[in-house]
Amino acid sequence: EPEVTQTPSHQVTQMGQEVILRCVPISNHLYFYWYRQILGQKVEFLVSFYNNEISEKSEIFDDQFSVERPDGSNFTLKIRSTKLEDSAMYFCASSEAILRGADTQYFGPGTRLTVL
Amino acid sequence: AQTVTQSQPEMSVQEAETVTLSCTYDTSESNYYLFWYKQPPSRQMILVIRQEAYKQQNATENRFSVNFQKAAKSFSLKISDSQLGDTAMYFCAFTSYNQGGKLIFGQGTELSVKP
Repeated sequence: EPEVTQTPSHQVTQMGQEVILRCVPISNHLYFYWYRQILGQKVEFLVSFYNNEISEKSEIFDDQFSVERPDGSNFTLKIRSTKLEDSAMYFCASSEAILRGADTQYFGPGTRLTVL
Repeated sequence: AQTVTQSQPEMSVQEAETVTLSCTYDTSESNYYLFWYKQPPSRQMILVIRQEAYKQQNATENRFSVNFQKAAKSFSLKISDSQLGDTAMYFCAFTSYNQGGKLIFGQGTELSVKP
């Protein structure tokens, strides 16, 4: 069964460094998403991406965040200058585009980001 | 703004018993979609069940079923014949066409299935 994959599974970085989190969505999906979950808290939406542009973004998704679909398979989240409070689990998800954002989203296993 | 509330932070159930997890939501929209996701200790987010608001029939997936009460804005999850592998955090989530793909999650309910 097709699944969303994410790399790395765990990333440790120093405060102020740039990190890139990578995702390979399910191949026939056209909508892509990033969420984050701070330990012990609920899952928070960061951004949705469709047709090579951001569809929706949250207040959390400020100028230090960016997303990109560099090729036909990868979807990346870049954090330019990491802060301690960026430490969280980051989930990528993808969905079809039949319902234009209301389709079922399938999640990857997550990347645990630790900022020291 | 749309909100999702899960009022039970923790629940426990004996193996083979039935348990119901509660979820309420607030929206002014009439057409929307509701989900339950399971997050086991591995922290993977796994879809359990999906309900379309325009459907009156409650969704069912094997041992999992929902009680969708649109007027009351309630969306509870019933797990029948609970198994040890059902131990996980369960999140209720909401989306609609107007959300641009954003899933709005509740705070989660941590379910423990005891042998």
